[in-house]
Amino acid sequence: DARVTQTPRHKVTEMGQEVTMRCQPILGHNTVFWYRQTMMQGLELLAYFRNRAPLDDSGMPKDRFSAEMPDATLATLKIQPSEPRDSAVYFCASGLSWYEQYFGPGTRLTVT
Amino acid sequence: AQTVTQSQPEMSVQEAETVTLSCTYDTSESDYYLFWYKQPPSRQMILVIRQEAYKQQNATENRFSVNFQKAAKSFSLKISDSQLGDAAMYFCAYRQGSGNTGKLIFGQGTTLQVKP
Repeated sequence: DARVTQTPRHKVTEMGQEVTMRCQPILGHNTVFWYRQTMMQGLELLAYFRNRAPLDDSGMPKDRFSAEMPDATLATLKIQPSEPRDSAVYFCASGLSWYEQYFGPGTRLTVT
Repeated sequence: AQTVTQSQPEMSVQEAETVTLSCTYDTSESDYYLFWYKQPPSRQMILVIRQEAYKQQNATENRFSVNFQKAAKSFSLKISDSQLGDAAMYFCAYRQGSGNTGKLIFGQGTTLQVKP
């Protein structure tokens, strides 16, 4: 039963610290998405990749967020420096085609 | 811009009964896809059902079915024979059919409570 994995599942950090979230897409999936979920904004797309190349990161605050895919088995989302307003659940999703996305369990980030 | 609206923040249903969750969307596109996702307390998002806009037949997956009204831009989810495990937040989502973009636009979600 192939699944998207995300680490860490929970992260508590202080304002100003760097946060790195990792995602392992399902083997063979060539499209990876990063989402952020908050009570206020709901679920928002931050960025997505196809064949490891970033296709759209317009939903991401450019000054502090960065997303990369060093290889086909790893996607990373970094926040530097982190702020309390970044507290949210961050989801990674992967897919073989553009219309079906398999979500990971999420990383719950708390910035104090 | 496309929008997705779920007007019911919370719904409840008795176990074994049927419940319908509402979703409306706004788009000028004719080619698109619609989805229902389930998010249980574990927070993982699980695809429940999807519908291609060009198909007139409503999608069905076991106890889950949709009522897709393209002209009215409505996409409701019906859960039959509700089970305790169906309790979760349900999200309606839209994806444009043309182009290479894979963006899903989500509604605000409906929390479903299942009463034993």
